[in-house]
Amino acid sequence: GAGVSQSPSNKVTEKGKDVELRCDPISGHTALYWYRQSLGQGLEFLIYFQGNSAPDKSGLPSDRFSAERTGGSVSTLTIQRTQQEDSAVYLCASSPPGRGPESANEKLFFGSGTQLSVL
Amino acid sequence: GESVGLHLPTLSVQEGDNSIINCAYSNSASDYFIWYKQESGKGPQFIIDIRSNMDKRQGQRVTVLLNKTVKHLSLQIAATQPGDSAVYFCAAPGASGGSYIPTFGRGTSLIVHP
Repeated sequence: GAGVSQSPSNKVTEKGKDVELRCDPISGHTALYWYRQSLGQGLEFLIYFQGNSAPDKSGLPSDRFSAERTGGSVSTLTIQRTQQEDSAVYLCASSPPGRGPESANEKLFFGSGTQLSVL
Repeated sequence: GESVGLHLPTLSVQEGDNSIINCAYSNSASDYFIWYKQESGKGPQFIIDIRSNMDKRQGQRVTVLLNKTVKHLSLQIAATQPGDSAVYFCAAPGASGGSYIPTFGRGTSLIVHP
């Protein structure tokens, strides 16, 4: 497809279980972001991948959260031992190559998100 | 990082009215701002952007105004339509180790009544 694809669109899990969320970015986009959006709230930054550089993990809320990006394309966000407060929409976004004010780097293209519900 | 906030969480307007959504930022070094629109069940979608060397930029029915003196920007939607109902976010890049990670405000929910 032409846009950012996320799967699953909905995930219901039990407290304590592990979950994996997948993101397929737009082909050719080198930057990939994960954000979390709780009900009625803004977007909380989680992690950022740019090309082959080490990811910026500064937004991950705890060591239960991790993410990887294989081959510079598909990314997986893993939440271990899920808690009820992890319930949220997890959004993935990608952006094309470039850096700085004269590039399109800052313009993000979002997927529709994964609605995670932890019971 | 950038601190971006919005003045009003909800804005209700009548169809055909003009809408104004406001946003404040804290980092005076921010040089690029983006407005996103998020419809129910979807991810945010780019609407319009503005660089700090501009005070105003116009798109189709939308205008963004930037006031660097008071660190404030606004999104104006002309002749608001029911399809404009959504949550609107402003975003500013927050330099983090040399990378650009946009920071988003809480959002304003625009409700357009037919």
